[in-house]
Amino acid sequence: KAGVTQTPRYLIKTRGQQVTLSCSPISGHRSVSWYQQTPGQGLQFLFEYFSETQRNKGNFPGRFSGRQFSNSRSEMNVSTLELGDSALYLCASRIYMNTEAFFGQGTRLTVV
Amino acid sequence: AQSVTQLDSHVSVSEGTPVLLRCNYSSSYSPSLFWYVQHPNKGLQLLLKYTSAATLVKGINGFEAEFKKSETSFHLTKPSAHMSDAAEYFCAFLPLDNAGNMLTFGGGTRLMVKP
Repeated sequence: KAGVTQTPRYLIKTRGQQVTLSCSPISGHRSVSWYQQTPGQGLQFLFEYFSETQRNKGNFPGRFSGRQFSNSRSEMNVSTLELGDSALYLCASRIYMNTEAFFGQGTRLTVV
Repeated sequence: AQSVTQLDSHVSVSEGTPVLLRCNYSSSYSPSLFWYVQHPNKGLQLLLKYTSAATLVKGINGFEAEFKKSETSFHLTKPSAHMSDAAEYFCAFLPLDNAGNMLTFGGGTRLMVKP
């Protein structure tokens, strides 16, 4: 069974640009969550989608947005990139919202 | 609101000695608890989980954790550390009877293993 797949694995962007990250959950999983991980702030929750609806949201500015498609795949978009957005972005999927999460390998975003 | 506290940000042990990584949670809800491990530039891998069955939970790579309700703790242990155990470990809490069902992570503990 394939795990959680995140693409791309690495990304370099310039300040002011926007970026879209993609996440394909484990087959049959309906929940997808996104996390930002930085050395200074640790693991921070961005948002969670279940059956195409945003169910939980972390404390991030509106530049960070996401969506989930009918096949449960999810995308995360960051607009007007800032240097501080450089981080490892992790996606996780769950079968339901009361079960454990399985993580992808992450997308390493560097903003220059 | 719920919270997870990992009491040590860094733990250093010698190879072959026991490992103890501490985790405490705070919540009014019944918990499901998890330990994850993260190697550099990788995603988080599930080590073990507690879901209201046996309080002593065995996981992969020889790790185990014990749920103690009275102490609101879920400490991770391993009898003998191996060099490959060096990584960052995260404790996570999931409220079982909350419709929000948001997974909350602790701040992480970096385990260093000395030869």
